[in-house]
Amino acid sequence: GAVVSQHPSWVICKSGTSVKIECRSLDFQATTMFWYRQFPKQSLMLMATSNEGSKATYEQGVEKDKFLINHASLTLSTLTVTSAHPEDSSFYICSAGAGASGNTDTQYFGPGTRLTVL
Amino acid sequence: QKEVEQNSGPLSVPEGAIASLNCTYSDRVSQSFFWYRQYSGKSPELIMSIYSNGDKEDGRFTAQLNKASQYVSLLIRDSQPSDSATYLCAAPGYSTLTFGKGTMLLVSP
Repeated sequence: GAVVSQHPSWVICKSGTSVKIECRSLDFQATTMFWYRQFPKQSLMLMATSNEGSKATYEQGVEKDKFLINHASLTLSTLTVTSAHPEDSSFYICSAGAGASGNTDTQYFGPGTRLTVL
Repeated sequence: QKEVEQNSGPLSVPEGAIASLNCTYSDRVSQSFFWYRQYSGKSPELIMSIYSNGDKEDGRFTAQLNKASQYVSLLIRDSQPSDSATYLCAAPGYSTLTFGKGTMLLVSP
């Protein structure tokens, strides 16, 4: 149980284009999903917290107009990187809360999406 | 601001030894803790959770929690080269988990 999937697993795009990443909880409903970014040899950085049916909460320094998050259902959240630039190249990982409290209980991570912007 | 501190390592142990990974946290009201394992280039994987003082064992892994000292550890018995990874400690924050920066473990054959 508690499986989270992400699609695509990797993507290469040209500078200036937009990329959408999907995160799905396959066998449970996730009221809250989280989006992280991780640069090589660095720690996880929380980008935003996504709650079903409401606006995402972004961490300080993360541009909400550049990283669009939509949490349309209890099993799907999407992250769109708009007008991507090479500095946006990173490993993007989502996670979903699977406990009773949803947001601070156990988090299960998706396999991640490696984005390379040329 | 809740903080979770870990030694970045690397912690090097020979195959078959016990690896001891440590984590301290700043918030006394934290009630639960999680250990995640992250292989290079992969996403974190939950390996243990612990909610009460004392030890919790799961196979070769033992999590130890000491709330008075605000200290949580992970012991890996009979370490294997496949255990080589970065181990992340996490504690609940206001709206999400607060992760430590992780300790890299290297198990040499």
